[in-house]
Amino acid sequence: KQEVTQIPAALSVPEGENLVLNCSFTDSAIYNLQWFRQDPGKGLTSLLLIQSSQREQTSGRLNASLDKSSGRSTLYIAASQPGDSATYLCAARDSNYQLIWGAGTKLIIKP
Amino acid sequence: EAGVAQSPRYKIIEKRQSVAFWCNPISGHATLYWYQQILGQGPKLLIQFQNNGVVDDSQLPKDRFSAERLKGVDSTLKIQPAKLEDSAVYLCASSPDRGVHEQYFGPGTRLTVT
Repeated sequence: KQEVTQIPAALSVPEGENLVLNCSFTDSAIYNLQWFRQDPGKGLTSLLLIQSSQREQTSGRLNASLDKSSGRSTLYIAASQPGDSATYLCAARDSNYQLIWGAGTKLIIKP
Repeated sequence: EAGVAQSPRYKIIEKRQSVAFWCNPISGHATLYWYQQILGQGPKLLIQFQNNGVVDDSQLPKDRFSAERLKGVDSTLKIQPAKLEDSAVYLCASSPDRGVHEQYFGPGTRLTVT
């Protein structure tokens, strides 16, 4: 059974710092892995989707990597801004095409 | 392109009462999902529809939860009777088809059961 873990549960950093959010999964048989952003009172916004054959994806200041063999994915945020404050969730798509979710990392960027 | 719509956005009810949530997916999307997200946790899939048929409802508490997707478009999720542990955000998502297609999420309905 696939399990997805995100550590840390919360992170607070000063504005301008580069940071890394971690996501680990127990079963390497995944189709893809997706990173989402969730703002309070709002739904989930997809940030990056990495196919199982890919090693990384980039969008603006965000870069997501995937290492299936080690069961890990990271989300790198460059030059963090207060507007980046949100909860970031990762989800692995398993062999049944279902998304298996981590509990998220709550990120606070201090001005 | 309009996104996934959900209503109501917030609902407060007492335990043992009934409640219904509505979802309108993106036009043309065949697959519709209902998730339950308890505070501090990731979403949990409750039910998945393909057009108006159920693909997966293995985690739906069928003694109190029900869902339908008439005509393969809008969907309604009902809880009857509600329990305190049902307090959560209920998220609706849609995708063009089954499989590895990206899911698009609505804003969610926050349910508080007192």
